[in-house]
Amino acid sequence: AQKVTQAQTEISVVEKEDVTLDCVYETRDTTYYLFWYKQPPSGELVFLIRRNSFDEQNEISGRYSWNFQKSTSSFNFTITASQVVDSAVYFCALSSPVSGTYKYIFGTGTRLKVLA
Amino acid sequence: NAGVTQTPKFRILKIGQSMTLQCTQDMNHNYMYWYRQDPGMGLKLIYYSVGAGITDKGEVPNGYNVSRSTTEDFPLRLELAAPSQTSVYFCASKTGSYEQYFGPGTRLTVT
Repeated sequence: AQKVTQAQTEISVVEKEDVTLDCVYETRDTTYYLFWYKQPPSGELVFLIRRNSFDEQNEISGRYSWNFQKSTSSFNFTITASQVVDSAVYFCALSSPVSGTYKYIFGTGTRLKVLA
Repeated sequence: NAGVTQTPKFRILKIGQSMTLQCTQDMNHNYMYWYRQDPGMGLKLIYYSVGAGITDKGEVPNGYNVSRSTTEDFPLRLELAAPSQTSVYFCASKTGSYEQYFGPGTRLTVT
């Protein structure tokens, strides 16, 4: 069975602090894809990143960085120098081509509050 | 290119009423999905489709029906609305292994 665990329900930080959101996944598939989405208070779901199982390179995009480690089945997300606009719920998701449906398995989300 | 559009944005239903939530995408994506998100919770898959004419149940299909007569449209039908169906409904589409594109959501209240 596939599963995504985001153990941190809510995190509060003060602006300019760095923060890491954890994502641990379970799958028996050798080919799979991992995603992060942001859901700001306005409610829409914003795609942040996609990573396939064969690419363990870390990714940096501005203040955002992602650490993918197959050895620990983790795909963690770090925000450097957090800002109030980063306040949102962040979801990690897993997808695989098995059965041809590419359904997402979502984590339960981590609510990040960045205080001014 | 409008992406994924959903109508209506908001709706209040009385118990027992029915309605259809509309979802349209203009990206020629084969895969389409319907989710519900209850307050403070994650997303749960209701139904999905891998192409026109093909639909299948997700994890919470009871009380809903879908159809996929065209690539673009994937309407979600609620029959006999119940308070437990109060939620925000998201439609999404994708192609292959790539990311899902989400619509803006429909906020539904059943009273």
